[in-house]
Amino acid sequence: SQQGEEDPQALSIQEGENATMNCSYKTSINNLQWYRQNSGRGLVHLILIRSNEREKHSGRLRVTLDTSKKSSSLLITASRAADTASYFCATSDSGGSNYKLTFGKGTLLTVNP
Amino acid sequence: DVKVTQSSRYLVKRTGEKVFLECVQDMDHENMFWYRQDPGLGLRLIYFSYDVKMKEKGDIPEGYSVSREKKERFSLILESASTNQTSMYLCASSLAGVETQYFGPGTRLLVL
Repeated sequence: SQQGEEDPQALSIQEGENATMNCSYKTSINNLQWYRQNSGRGLVHLILIRSNEREKHSGRLRVTLDTSKKSSSLLITASRAADTASYFCATSDSGGSNYKLTFGKGTLLTVNP
Repeated sequence: DVKVTQSSRYLVKRTGEKVFLECVQDMDHENMFWYRQDPGLGLRLIYFSYDVKMKEKGDIPEGYSVSREKKERFSLILESASTNQTSMYLCASSLAGVETQYFGPGTRLLVL
C-alpha cells in the first residue's frame, strides 16, 4: 500500500510566490524525507525530519511534521523558475525494514517566470 | 560530495536479451538500492544490498537479480528482458539504515 502520498499532484505558480506541498502517510515513522527530481534526472535529497522533530529549515525550504495527523508539508518560499521539478516525500516505517524508504508518487511543481 | 554513477543514460534492448545495469558510488556507503520509476506508480524498490554479497528483495523483484561483489558497485540484471521492464531505473546509496539516499542520474531502458 502507498505509504507517503503527496498532495496536490500538480501545482503551477508564478515566480516569487510560495509553494506548499503536503504528504500524508499511514504508519508510524522513524523519519520523513523530501526529495526533488528534475525532469529525466535522478532524485536529490532536500531535507530529513525525524519523528521527534516538528519543523526544519534549509535555505528557502521549510518542512513541518505532524505525527498526530501523520502528515508533513514542504514550503518553498520566493519560488524561482529553477524550482520547477517533481517533489517526493519518502518515509521510513518504524516497524519495518532498517533500510527501506517508501516514496510517494510526487507533486509536479511548475514555476512560471 | 557523494557521487553515484550509472553505466548508461539510455539503453535499447530486444525482448529476451540479458541486460546489465551498473551502478558505482564513491563514498564507501554500506547500502545500495535499485528502483524503477514509472508514470503514475512512483518509485518502487526492486532490490537492495546492505553489504558486499548481501542482498534483499524489495517490493518488485520478479524478473530481476542483483550482484554486489565489491562495496562500491551494485549491478541490476534483467535475465530475459521483457517489454514490461521498459522503465527508468534509478540506483541509490546510503551510509546507514534509512538515512539520506544519494541517487544516480538514472538509466532509461526501452525493451522492444
